[in-house]
Amino acid sequence: DAKTTQPPSMDCAEGRAANLPCNHSTISGNEYVYWYRQIHSQGPQYIIHGLKNNETNEMASLIITEDRKSSTLILPHATLRDTAVYYCIVTLRGYSGGYQKVTFGTGTKLQVIP
Amino acid sequence: GAVVSQHPSRVICKSGTSVKIECRSLDFQATTMFWYRQFPKQSLMLMATSNEGSKATYEQGVEKDKFLINHASLTLSTLTVTSAHPEDSSFYICSARRPGPQQNTEAFFGQGTRLTVV
Repeated sequence: DAKTTQPPSMDCAEGRAANLPCNHSTISGNEYVYWYRQIHSQGPQYIIHGLKNNETNEMASLIITEDRKSSTLILPHATLRDTAVYYCIVTLRGYSGGYQKVTFGTGTKLQVIP
Repeated sequence: GAVVSQHPSRVICKSGTSVKIECRSLDFQATTMFWYRQFPKQSLMLMATSNEGSKATYEQGVEKDKFLINHASLTLSTLTVTSAHPEDSSFYICSARRPGPQQNTEAFFGQGTRLTVV
């Protein structure tokens, strides 16, 4: 899997948009960008994923640069419950001789401030 | 959406005893499951890949005789920590990916098991 780089921590005011960056300059053409988050003492939760187009779902938006070397996860209106560690992961999507394991980096600890 | 369930959510055991953690995929069949370990203030570290009907694949540095993995059915994988010691105290998390190369194959994670060895 391609390596990712994320800032260790970020603060965001409640109600404002949280923009979490991720660099993945060694991403290969068939690798997807996935975002997960882990709220304290819980298992990781899937947020969103994309290949090259921007994606949006009920939780967040994912903006991937044209060269695919970086991406940004956007939480449009952060709430206190969004306080968590956010992981950006690059991995193959489906079955290709075996399901690709998901390898976690250190992530970004997002603190939403009242 | 798909759900992966772990049991127990927390367990305390004495040194030298063994502890079994179960991981179930509740609404899909998982031929492959993954086991992670997380120490305080650290990221998740992959321990092993559990394959239904065959031997698990362990990551480098993980003792296969200490962390026994059994994946006897398409919905259940178990991790047994044998002869547990205090340094095995950690947060153990399992994961499974929904099958199908054309389907949304994000990984789903269990809620984790907090193991404390006293």
